[in-house]
Amino acid sequence: DAGITQSPRHKVTETGTPVTLRCHQTENHRYMYWYRQDPGHGLRLIHYSYGVKDTDKGEVSDGYSVSRSKTEDFLLTLESATSSQTSVYFCAISTDSEFYGYTFGSGTRLTVV
Amino acid sequence: KNEVEQSPQNLTAQEGEFITINCSYSVGISALHWLQQHPGGGIVSLFMLSSGKKKHGRLIATINIQEKHSSLHITASHPRDSAVYICAVRSDSNYQLIWGAGTKLIIKP
Repeated sequence: DAGITQSPRHKVTETGTPVTLRCHQTENHRYMYWYRQDPGHGLRLIHYSYGVKDTDKGEVSDGYSVSRSKTEDFLLTLESATSSQTSVYFCAISTDSEFYGYTFGSGTRLTVV
Repeated sequence: KNEVEQSPQNLTAQEGEFITINCSYSVGISALHWLQQHPGGGIVSLFMLSSGKKKHGRLIATINIQEKHSSLHITASHPRDSAVYICAVRSDSNYQLIWGAGTKLIIKP
């Protein structure tokens, strides 16, 4: 996806280990979001950021933390991964304008075994 | 009851058919988005609407703010239109999106 990349694309990790997912944008957009997508659910917001060092919780934030030290990078950390955090994680960016949509990353498929 | 409801959940049609996917919401919104997610997983923004109607190629999106309802239409459907179509509304009390569960569309040749 133009202007936004997620890494890694796939990861398998063991229960109890820390995991960090990275979202990098080149669009200089103010807002960045982390979502998870699970079968039977719509996208669910984990955390979002409205500027450098400005972050807030979404609807499913338990077990996750985020950091945004630069405009272009938004990191999602699972401090101690659990099997319930097996999911596909999407990063998205948007401007603060009403007239522009959202751009999504390609997703990270995380499996916690 | 979910704040954003899509119907149908699943839709299978023959190539060439006119497709309609519906989205109803129960909150005040500043904008409504239609997105497409292909089997490979990538999510693409199709439309953002705050009123009226938008058209892009064979895709048409309409919104009725008073009725809190939006429709996505696909004319002359093609197997490559097979995807999950997702409706999301931007709440007018904050800038977060409230997501529908998606409509899985399969177009058979």
